[in-house]
Amino acid sequence: DAKTTQPTSMDCAEGRAANLPCNHSTISGNEYVYWYRQIHSQGPQYIIHGLKNNETNEMASLIITEDRKSSTLILPHATLRDTAVYYCIVRQFMEYGNKLVFGAGTILRVKS
Amino acid sequence: SQTIHQWPATLVQPVGSPLSLECTVEGTSNPNLYWYRQAAGRGLQLLFYSVGIGQISSEVPQNLSASRPQDRQFILSSKKLLLSDSGFYLCAGSGGYEKLFFGSGTQLSVL
Repeated sequence: DAKTTQPTSMDCAEGRAANLPCNHSTISGNEYVYWYRQIHSQGPQYIIHGLKNNETNEMASLIITEDRKSSTLILPHATLRDTAVYYCIVRQFMEYGNKLVFGAGTILRVKS
Repeated sequence: SQTIHQWPATLVQPVGSPLSLECTVEGTSNPNLYWYRQAAGRGLQLLFYSVGIGQISSEVPQNLSASRPQDRQFILSSKKLLLSDSGFYLCAGSGGYEKLFFGSGTQLSVL
């Protein structure tokens, strides 16, 4: 019951910006958008999250549209080590605790 | 910082044998804990989550169970493994806002 839609795969040239889109048209007003990535055979790694405003950290930038129905993760200078599956997730509030439901994600291939 | 310890890294078990995977958390108290499973080439499926000792929520009907005997301990079990239980099992925890920290995972092969 993932609430997000992402492209199956994307390619990016090394050194260029990678822009990964995500649609979350049914997002509620108090639900956050999270981005994780998973390198093969490892546990997912947290990248960034946001509610309304654009966010930036040492790894990436998150751009959320004004209506909050979509967002874009930006890796400003992609390297070969950024090749991974990128998951866009909307946190779902439950009666007891919250849960993060992962969809299929986007396979990002960074090529030299 | 929060750390998830998960072991073993790989496990090969015969069909019908029991299973016990343990996960422990360091660096935070009263975390939310999660068990995910990932089939080969697929996304992560949430199996169980827990908001406290003895509190377990199951997401999908299955051959597995979970327990949380201590605040920082989360156990995934089965009495009799099935072939379909094969997969990559990940434990995760969060101290708030669901910024999850994942363990390194256990690759389970049921033969």
